[in-house]
Amino acid sequence: ETGVTQTPRHLVMGMTNKKSLKCEQHLGHNAMYWYKQSAKKPLELMFVYNFKEQTENNSVPSRFSPECPNSSHLFLHLHTLQPEDSALYLCASSSRANYGYTFGSGTRLTVV
Amino acid sequence: AQKVTQAQTEISVVEKEDVTLDCVYETRDTTYYLFWYKQPPSGELVFLIRRNSFDEQNEISGRYSWNFQKSTSSFNFTITASQVVDSAVYFCALSGVLSGGYNKLIFGAGTRLAVHP
Repeated sequence: ETGVTQTPRHLVMGMTNKKSLKCEQHLGHNAMYWYKQSAKKPLELMFVYNFKEQTENNSVPSRFSPECPNSSHLFLHLHTLQPEDSALYLCASSSRANYGYTFGSGTRLTVV
Repeated sequence: AQKVTQAQTEISVVEKEDVTLDCVYETRDTTYYLFWYKQPPSGELVFLIRRNSFDEQNEISGRYSWNFQKSTSSFNFTITASQVVDSAVYFCALSGVLSGGYNKLIFGAGTRLAVHP
C-alpha cells in the first residue's frame, strides 16, 4: 500500500484510441504530479496540480490532457498518441509539510 | 538552472560488496533539498532520504549511508554489504524552497544497480 494508487497498471492502446490514466491519493496531500519515464531518459515532469489548479505544464503535447477534479484525484486523458509516447507514467503527490513525493506504481503504456 | 547528474549509468556488484552511487547537483538556491529514491522492478519510486542544504551531517540508516558535501555539490549514497534485494534503479533528486504549496523535484538520470549472488 503506497498511499498513491494508479490504474491501470498496464495499458496497450492504438494510435487512434482514447484512454485515461487514473491516480488517487488519500494522504491529504495538496499537490499532485504526472511524470513520464521513458527508457534510458530521465524522469520528465509533465504536469503539476496544486489545490486542484494546474500550476505547471512543461510543454507537453496536447494529446495529453490532465484533469484534477479534486485534491485526491488526478487523471491523464490520452488521445491520438504516437509510439514514442510508450513509457511508464508515474503519478506522485506531496504536501506542504513533506518536501518529498509519494509515488504510485505507475502505468506502463504501450502505443501500437 | 537546477540539474542533477548521476554519472554512473549501471553498476554491477557481487553480494556483500560495498557500493557507492554518485550524485552531483547544480543549483543557485541557497536553501534546497536533496533526495534519494529507489525504483525496484515493480515500478514505484520509494523514498529513502531527504536532506536540507544546511545539514551536512552524514547519515546512516542500517546498511545505507549518505555523504553530503556542499563544497563539491555532491550527495553520494553508499550501500554496505549489498544484497540481491538492493537491485534497483536509484535516483537522486533536488528541489528548491517550497513555493506556492508544492516543491518541484528535479531528478538525475538514475543508476541501475545489479547485485549478483
